[in-house]
Amino acid sequence: DVKVTQSSRYLVKRTGEKVFLECVQDMDHENMFWYRQDPGLGLRLIYFSYDVKMKEKGDIPEGYSVSREKKERFSLILESASTNQTSMYLCASSLGGRHSTDTQYFGPGTRLTVL
Amino acid sequence: AQKVTQAQTEISVVEKEDVTLDCVYETRDTTYYLFWYKQPPSGELVFLIRRNSFDEQNEISGRYSWNFQKSTSSFNFTITASQVVDSAVYFCALLSRYNFNKFYFGSGTKLNVKP
Repeated sequence: DVKVTQSSRYLVKRTGEKVFLECVQDMDHENMFWYRQDPGLGLRLIYFSYDVKMKEKGDIPEGYSVSREKKERFSLILESASTNQTSMYLCASSLGGRHSTDTQYFGPGTRLTVL
Repeated sequence: AQKVTQAQTEISVVEKEDVTLDCVYETRDTTYYLFWYKQPPSGELVFLIRRNSFDEQNEISGRYSWNFQKSTSSFNFTITASQVVDSAVYFCALLSRYNFNKFYFGSGTKLNVKP
């Protein structure tokens, strides 16, 4: 079974703080993704990575950065958290590389609240 | 253009009733993939099924069945004899052959199964 884990289920931070969300997958997948999910807006892709140190912007990369130093780990960074980044963050992974049509498997999500 | 429409925002049924969740998609590509995911209150998106555009056979897995009809661009999901544990938000998603890694999610249908 594919296992995608996220470092925290719930997180509360203050405006201006630097926030790290971490995601780990144990299936040797090439691709990893970060989405945010908001009521009425559905799932929106923030960034994805198709290899170590490789990344591509998704639909809403502004205010976020990512890091992938090891294949199994993909971090989402909020350099200076703002209240409009309060959301549910979902990590996913898939088997293939940059030109993949593989199924994405999701982690449990992190509910981030920025006060 | 790629698009997934789940017109039913919320459905409520009583346990043991059958329920069908609708999904209509739009794509100009001839090769594409359709998915259903379940998101229980805990938040994790759980993969249920993947179908490719060349396989129109209906699929049954226990109480779950899927009806794929290219003629109407629909990929509907039926739960037979619903149970309280089926209560969740269900998402339909589309991935086309040449939009690598880019999933288009519907807005989701919230299913409430009452005892």
